[in-house]
Amino acid sequence: GAGVSQSPSNKVTEKGKDVELRCDPISGHTALYWYRQSLGQGLEFLIYFQGNSAPDKSGLPSDRFSAERTGGSVSTLTIQRTQQEDSAVYLCASSLDGVGRVLKETQYFGPGTRLLVL
Amino acid sequence: QKEVEQNSGPLSVPEGAIASLNCTYSDRGSQSFFWYRQYSGKSPELIMSIYSNGDKEDGRFTAQLNKASQYVSLLIRDSQPSDSATYLCAVGHGSNTGKLIFGQGTTLQVKP
Repeated sequence: GAGVSQSPSNKVTEKGKDVELRCDPISGHTALYWYRQSLGQGLEFLIYFQGNSAPDKSGLPSDRFSAERTGGSVSTLTIQRTQQEDSAVYLCASSLDGVGRVLKETQYFGPGTRLLVL
Repeated sequence: QKEVEQNSGPLSVPEGAIASLNCTYSDRGSQSFFWYRQYSGKSPELIMSIYSNGDKEDGRFTAQLNKASQYVSLLIRDSQPSDSATYLCAVGHGSNTGKLIFGQGTTLQVKP
């Protein structure tokens, strides 16, 4: 079946503009995660959606960042008033929100969106 | 602050050798452990998961877990140039959440 898809694959924007990044998880996966990866760095957790529960927003770096997930499927990460330090690869992952721990934590990643803020 | 630590490398090994990648974690409540491989410019892909103390083998890969020492490792036998990548260690808490904490990754270079 299809994997996690993300769009756009690349985005160049000017400082101060807003951007929207989209993630379409694997069909049937009810858990969805957003991460940020700066050049040469590890993955920084941003936000986590699990089924109908309130999202875990503990990783969002500032109030310029927000995310929503409509209909339990597609998610949009919005960055308002972008800054140069927002330049990074934004990765989305999904997992089955099953009863077992294994299903919850086995995450599958999309190809990422490379964001460059000039 | 829950942390996952890895040596950034690069770790350089000759083709055919055993590559040993190490990871330590700070949260004693951690219950699940993952190794992801990430090629340059690509997204991470899951290669191993381990939940119990001891060794778990899958082909040329062996994951080792020691919860008492808060240490997890990945051994790659008969290393190939195609194994050259960054290896990310990820740790899950095991509570009712799939959230993982990732290390910074170790870059492995396998020289022909």
